[in-house]
Amino acid sequence: DTGVSQNPRHKITKRGQNVTFRCDPISEHNRLYWYRQTLGQGPEFLTYFQNEAQLEKSRLLSDRFSAERPKGSFSTLEIQRTEQGDSAMYLCASSLSGQGSNEQYFGPGTRLTVT
Amino acid sequence: AQSVSQHNHHVILSEAASLELGCNYSYGGTVNLFWYVQYPGQHLQLLLKYFSGDPLVKGIKGFEAEFIKSKFSFNLRKPSVQWSDTAEYFCAVSSGGSYIPTFGRGTSLIVHP
Repeated sequence: DTGVSQNPRHKITKRGQNVTFRCDPISEHNRLYWYRQTLGQGPEFLTYFQNEAQLEKSRLLSDRFSAERPKGSFSTLEIQRTEQGDSAMYLCASSLSGQGSNEQYFGPGTRLTVT
Repeated sequence: AQSVSQHNHHVILSEAASLELGCNYSYGGTVNLFWYVQYPGQHLQLLLKYFSGDPLVKGIKGFEAEFIKSKFSFNLRKPSVQWSDTAEYFCAVSSGGSYIPTFGRGTSLIVHP
């Protein structure tokens, strides 16, 4: 399967702990996105990379959140000092620049539960 | 900031019924429009998209959507639904110069056999 992969698929953590998620995009895609989705809502944009450069961050991305894409391939999203409100599905997507419509391909997501 | 409204949050149909899911957006400039589908237990996947050209767009599995610029709408349609169409459907819009789509809150479709 050459789609977008995310690990872990599920994460349960206690409030105050740090968590890190990984996303591996489709290999030739140079753009990578992180979204958060809560129950009954659509995905909300968090941040976006083109190659290794983080080009845009949402106001949703508080100081406790940090994302990296060091070599322009996989990306990590870290949440420090987790809070119960961080419980959500974290989605990663990738796309290829040059496509006029910027079609994004989504991974299966990482479901975070903060207890 | 742009917003996307999906008016039907839950839709229940019998097989062979016709489907129309509403999507309206608030951005006045050039837009790219998408419908994504999420089948139970699966990840989001693209159903169809509008970028330019013919405002009637045909997607996978017999779905189509019509972009009506004057109404800021991009409604999804299927003439005859199947049980396998049971899923969550999301409309998304990105403005012409942005790579970041704004998603609606989704419509849950249940099709009874």
